[in-house]
Amino acid sequence: AQSVSQHNHHVILSEAASLELGCNYSYGGTVNLFWYVQYPGQHLQLLLKYFSGDPLVKGIKGFEAEFIKSKFSFNLRKPSVQWSDTAEYFCAVKGYSGGYQKVTFGTGTKLQVIP
Amino acid sequence: DAGVTQSPTHLIKTRGQQVTLRCSPKSGHDTVSWYQQALGQGPQFIFQYYEEEERQRGNFPDRFSGHQFPNYSSELNVNALLLGDSALYLCASSPQQGGTDTQYFGPGTRLTVL
Repeated sequence: AQSVSQHNHHVILSEAASLELGCNYSYGGTVNLFWYVQYPGQHLQLLLKYFSGDPLVKGIKGFEAEFIKSKFSFNLRKPSVQWSDTAEYFCAVKGYSGGYQKVTFGTGTKLQVIP
Repeated sequence: DAGVTQSPTHLIKTRGQQVTLRCSPKSGHDTVSWYQQALGQGPQFIFQYYEEEERQRGNFPDRFSGHQFPNYSSELNVNALLLGDSALYLCASSPQQGGTDTQYFGPGTRLTVL
């Protein structure tokens, strides 16, 4: 069975600080990996995704994530956060079971950026 | 091009009642997945519909059922509501079954069970 673990439940940063949110997954086969963001009052939006190729993935709004297969990790990073990055961030893994896709989400990390 | 739409936005029901939630996928998408997001939790996969059939199911009881119509829209039905069913129900659509597709999420339906 696939699972996703997000280590930090709540992170508070000052503007311009660097961000790294941890994500580890458990799955025996080929995976696709995602980071989604949910801004206050808005629906889930895709930040970035990894399917194959370069393990360093660039997303929207200056976010990036690195897939480290040996560590089963897909950590999200941003060099300098802004107040507008305040949101909840979800890591997700898509695996294949019985020929069909199944997406499993982590429990999320709430990021609060202080001006 | 409209994205994924869901109705209603909010719903209040009492225990034991039944509820139907609706989802229209993004144009060109034929696969619909439903998720339950309890407060403070990540979305939990309920089931997925493709070609009007349930293709994959998460760890949810049979009280949760669904349907997909020929126009790819979908319904989620929950019978015998429990207090624990209170959550945000998300619909996500994708352009194909499998492959390098990506899900697009709707705004969700907030269900409150009293």
